Amino acid sequence: DAMVIQNPRYQVTQFGKPVTLSCSQTLNHNVMYWYQQKSSQAPKLLFHYYDKDFNNEADTPDNFQSRRPNTSFCFLDIRSPGLGDAAMYLCATSRQGRMGTEAFFGQGTRLTVV
Amino acid sequence: SQQGEEDPQALSIQEGENATMNCSYKTSINNLQWYRQNSGRGLVHLILIRSNEREKHSGRLRVTLDTSKKSSSLLITASRAADTASYFCATDYGGATNKLIFGTGTLLAVQP
Repeated sequence: DAMVIQNPRYQVTQFGKPVTLSCSQTLNHNVMYWYQQKSSQAPKLLFHYYDKDFNNEADTPDNFQSRRPNTSFCFLDIRSPGLGDAAMYLCATSRQGRMGTEAFFGQGTRLTVV
Repeated sequence: SQQGEEDPQALSIQEGENATMNCSYKTSINNLQWYRQNSGRGLVHLILIRSNEREKHSGRLRVTLDTSKKSSSLLITASRAADTASYFCATDYGGATNKLIFGTGTLLAVQP
């Protein structure tokens, strides 16, 4: 059974047209992450939520925003996608405490900007 | 940047051989994790080693952690063609937010 679900799997958007990627989880994990992964590179953390607390990475462009309306859902909004934003976007969750635990990843959304 | 470095960047071996990948990181960690990624797919967790552990095993996987050198290694024994994938280490820096930062990755190709 899928535990971290990302929709859609493939998204094509026009240059400058806002786009939203979604992630849902059935694990009731308190931490949710968004990563950007470009071809042949490592996943790059954009931001993450620890419970309701939002943590933005210093080098995440302002063009990227996120919402977490409840424990189960998290959204990545790209306000004005550029060609350089074409990438795989990965959502992950974990149940974090003092020592941390493994993260569970969705299958990703591959974003194409035309 | 807190991103860790992995070496080698790419590794090609024959089926049945062992594969070793190394990861170095920069600051104190809660734990270090290894993940596998098949081409174009999400990441799959392999093994987690806590900062107070030195070695851990899971099936054909062996992970070591040296916190004094800020380094870890992943050994895959008796490799199979199905082990072909990218392997990433990820460091959990703990603190108030438990963010997980990935290393640069090793692309492993196992030739049948």
